[in-house]
Amino acid sequence: KAGVTQTPRYLIKTRGQQVTLSCSPISGHRSVSWYQQTPGQGLQFLFEYFSETQRNKGNFPGRFSGRQFSNSRSEMNVSTLELGDSALYLCASSLEGTGKSPLHFGNGTRLTVT
Amino acid sequence: EDQVTQSPEALRLQEGESSSLNCSYTVSGLRGLFWYRQDPGKGPEFLFTLYSAGEEKEKERLKATLTKKESFLHITAPKPEDSATYLCARRAGGTSYGKLTFGQGTILTVHP
Repeated sequence: KAGVTQTPRYLIKTRGQQVTLSCSPISGHRSVSWYQQTPGQGLQFLFEYFSETQRNKGNFPGRFSGRQFSNSRSEMNVSTLELGDSALYLCASSLEGTGKSPLHFGNGTRLTVT
Repeated sequence: EDQVTQSPEALRLQEGESSSLNCSYTVSGLRGLFWYRQDPGKGPEFLFTLYSAGEEKEKERLKATLTKKESFLHITAPKPEDSATYLCARRAGGTSYGKLTFGQGTILTVHP
């Protein structure tokens, strides 16, 4: 069974630009969550989608947004990029929404903002 | 406020030297305590889920245990390939099952 797939693996952008990251969850998984990982802050929750609805959002500015499609694939968008947005962005999927299944992570998209 | 604290920050072991990693968490509303392993340049790899005090789970050289206030990841006779960052995370109550609060991780290095 294929794991969580994130594209692209690496991105270099300039301050002020916007970026879209993509995530394909494990087949059959309906919940997709996004995390930002930096050396200083560790892993921080961005948002979670279940059945195309945002179920929760972390403490990030409105420049960070996401969506989920009917096939459970998800995208996140960051507008007006800042240097501090440089990070590893991780997507995770889980089987169902009852709290019993763990999150399975992809290998992330490494975003560098110059 | 959800909080997860891991110790030590880094641990260096000789091959075969057993040890334990600690994860302490805020108590209220625990809906799962998770252990992950992360290798450089990769996403976290799921290891264990624990739900209630007294629960234990094992996989090869790893054993995870849970009390009311903390969890331990015991590593028995480690090998160099066990070198990685080990992350602990808790899931709080409520309906957002995708939100985990992570600790800062323990960087484990096992020397041959």
